[in-house]
Amino acid sequence: KAGVTQTPRYLIKTRGQQVTLSCSPISGHRSVSWYQQTPGQGLQFLFEYFSETQRNKGNFPGRFSGRQFSNSRSEMNVSTLELGDSALYLCASSLRGSSTEQFFGPGTRLTVL
Amino acid sequence: DQQVKQNSPSLSVQEGRISILNCDYTNSMFDYFLWYKKYPAEGPTFLISISSIKDKNEDGRFTVFLNKSAKHLSLHIVPSQPGDSAVYFCAASLYGGATNKLIFGTGTLLAVQP
Repeated sequence: KAGVTQTPRYLIKTRGQQVTLSCSPISGHRSVSWYQQTPGQGLQFLFEYFSETQRNKGNFPGRFSGRQFSNSRSEMNVSTLELGDSALYLCASSLRGSSTEQFFGPGTRLTVL
Repeated sequence: DQQVKQNSPSLSVQEGRISILNCDYTNSMFDYFLWYKKYPAEGPTFLISISSIKDKNEDGRFTVFLNKSAKHLSLHIVPSQPGDSAVYFCAASLYGGATNKLIFGTGTLLAVQP
């Protein structure tokens, strides 16, 4: 069974631009969560989607948004990029809502110049 | 406000010895705790978890201890192997882990020397 895939793996943007990251969960998984990893901050929860509905949201500004499609694939969007948005963005999928069944993708490394 | 803290950014241990990774938390409402392991260029992988109704959980070489009164948990790896070298994150959850919203610590880089 294929794991969680994230595209692109690396991305370079400039301040003020917007970016869309994509996550394809493991086949059959209905829940997708997003995390931001920065040095010194660990992984910080962005949001969780389950069956196309946002179920949980972290403490991030409105520039960060996401959505989930009917095939469970998810995208997250960051508008008006800031230097501080440079991070590794991780996506995790699970069959339902249990964190022990959460499988992470390799992440998208975003660099904002 | 960092609700889950890993105060040691790095730890170096000899192969065959015990590795002890520590984690402290501030929110007494957390009721489920997990440890994840992360290699470079890969996503975190689940290692072991513990519910707040327990004080110990063991899985092979890995044991997690929970001290609720001190709001402290630790991961013991015995014996340590070079392949254990990675970044270890502890994470906490509400609602018994029945949610994907996890609060992570900042991680501890474990280096196991051959």
